[in-house]
Amino acid sequence: DVKVTQSSRYLVKRTGEKVFLECVQDMDHENMFWYRQDPGLGLRLIYFSYDVKMKEKGDIPEGYSVSREKKERFSLILESASTNQTSMYLCASSFSPYEQYFGPGTRLTVT
Amino acid sequence: DQQVKQNSPSLSVQEGRISILNCDYTNSMFDYFLWYKKYPAEGPTFLISISSIKDKNEDGRFTVFLNKSAKHLSLHIVPSQPGDSAVYFCAASGGYGNKLVFGAGTILRVKS
Repeated sequence: DVKVTQSSRYLVKRTGEKVFLECVQDMDHENMFWYRQDPGLGLRLIYFSYDVKMKEKGDIPEGYSVSREKKERFSLILESASTNQTSMYLCASSFSPYEQYFGPGTRLTVT
Repeated sequence: DQQVKQNSPSLSVQEGRISILNCDYTNSMFDYFLWYKKYPAEGPTFLISISSIKDKNEDGRFTVFLNKSAKHLSLHIVPSQPGDSAVYFCAASGGYGNKLVFGAGTILRVKS
């Protein structure tokens, strides 16, 4: 049973703070992804990674960075949080080219 | 530029009846399509998928139909149950890499 865990379910941060969101998967998947989900916009891809130490920009990478030092862990970093980054953040991992397994999400509020 | 569109933000259906959720796409490079289901405060879970070489795939109460010429797919749930109430996302993949492109989602409410 694939398990993807995210470090926090709910997070409240102040504008300008540096924010770390962590994701861990236990299935030895090569691929990992970070999305944000906003009402009416669906899931939008922020960054993804096919292997350790590699990363690729998704559709909305501005204001974010990522780190993948170990295969099972993929971190999303908000360098200087802003109110427009208030959102639900979802991490996913996959082995096949298609089916992705999602974590429970982190609801981030930036005030 | 939304490549995957779910034009109905919400759908309400009576328990026992059929639910039909629709999805349109614009990119002819897409060759694999998936439906995900999401409950509040949980991550999306994979429901059913279809390859572009097929026009129908069935799994229990769930059937996905693909019409490539119209660039349209639909998810049929028969019979609908109250536990099916959730947000349903259509997603598509193809071309570069392992990326999925998601639609905006449709909220399904099944009334008992």
